[in-house]
Amino acid sequence: SQQGEEDPQALSIQEGENATMNCSYKTSINNLQWYRQNSGRGLVHLILIRSNEREKHSGRLRVTLDTSKKSSSLLITASRAADTASYFCATTRLNYNQGGKLIFGQGTELSVKP
Amino acid sequence: DTGVSQDPRHKITKRGQNVTFRCDPISEHNRLYWYRQTLGQGPEFLTYFQNEAQLEKSRLLSDRFSAERPKGSFSTLEIQRTEQGDSAMYLCASSSPGLAANEQFFGPGTRLTVL
Repeated sequence: SQQGEEDPQALSIQEGENATMNCSYKTSINNLQWYRQNSGRGLVHLILIRSNEREKHSGRLRVTLDTSKKSSSLLITASRAADTASYFCATTRLNYNQGGKLIFGQGTELSVKP
Repeated sequence: DTGVSQDPRHKITKRGQNVTFRCDPISEHNRLYWYRQTLGQGPEFLTYFQNEAQLEKSRLLSDRFSAERPKGSFSTLEIQRTEQGDSAMYLCASSSPGLAANEQFFGPGTRLTVL
């Protein structure tokens, strides 16, 4: 019952290049988050963007949100080998009945080659 | 370490056996979530607690699955009569209403393999 789809499913770049990942979702949301997961491990929260925001920055990360298109993008600038991981978008619709659960996309597997 | 912890990290069991996983959330977090993740997929929501109350269960949580959070602190997830399709990573997360819009902190996960 995942609601998000991510594109591309896999991305391979050289160190120093920028990486862009896209996420689309299906229903109205209150906010969208991006998480990173290193191979076989737990998820780490990267950045959150609220539905009334269009762009947000955090260090080398830039997130955009287009609620009219129900899509978001994550840009990682000046990538490093340590950025190699899977990246997931996750949406939440804060509602007592739903309890704030996260609905994840399928993820983009990023490989940064030194 | 004050993050979310899960135990065990790995579990190998035979089909038909029961297994139980434990999650210890961040101490001041009153919300606790269980997710399941299969290879190549994003995590899927299983269930959610606020304090000791289980407020939502996914349809993925069949009657072989049960989760508890008896004192509003740690939680257990039990799978009875395991099947090979239960093989997955089981992730626990916690959050607090005071945090920015449902940011969740995840544990390292328990990887279950059912033979």
